[in-house]
Amino acid sequence: DIQLTQSPSSLSASVGDRVTISCRASQNIANYLSWYQQKPGKAPILLIYTTSSLQGGVPSRFSGSGSGTDFTLTINNLHPEDFATYYCQQSYNSITFGGGTKVEIK
Amino acid sequence: QVTLRESGPALVKPTQTLTLTCTFSGFSLSTSEMCVSWVRQPPGKALEWLARIDWDDDKFYTPSLKTRLTISKDTSKNQVVLTMTNMDPVDTATYFCARSWVRGVSYFDYWGQGALVTVSS
Repeated sequence: DIQLTQSPSSLSASVGDRVTISCRASQNIANYLSWYQQKPGKAPILLIYTTSSLQGGVPSRFSGSGSGTDFTLTINNLHPEDFATYYCQQSYNSITFGGGTKVEIK
Repeated sequence: QVTLRESGPALVKPTQTLTLTCTFSGFSLSTSEMCVSWVRQPPGKALEWLARIDWDDDKFYTPSLKTRLTISKDTSKNQVVLTMTNMDPVDTATYFCARSWVRGVSYFDYWGQGALVTVSS
């Protein structure tokens, strides 16, 4: 199984900050990585697919990068509605999700 | 407009079999490269992919639960059914169904609202 390790598991940030979340795969997954945002009691929302492609309707302050085993989700100019938990997901071999990163208000 | 909705029992007893139904609209599972998966999330924990069924009836399961899971579809009813045998309290979770595509990178672009299933005697 391919394991995805997200770091940090939680972070505190302020409105307007730039936030970066890391996702490391246990083996090479090329660009088969996606990112989701989830708020309490809600289903996840797709933000980024194929490492860096922005899903329709997602604000451009969200961006993704990386390849192979190391990937990053960046949120520029953090908005109040961005406080949530973020998950990475790989589909190179079966499907697995990372452990999540909770972005909290400082 | 694509929608998915999960339905099934909110409470099951240990050792029982869970049957969940995903009813969807706005797309067809007979469309080439279309697929539907089940994903679960225990309270306060991360997402876990469980199973996927493809437009051509190919089926895939997470290895750790493969012996307990069965996924099936009824294309005429726009439904996907997941059964999980021998339920245990650790299976308490919100169960989501989600749509994806087989081609290239597989990602979930539409999700149901989720159904909370509690396993308790």
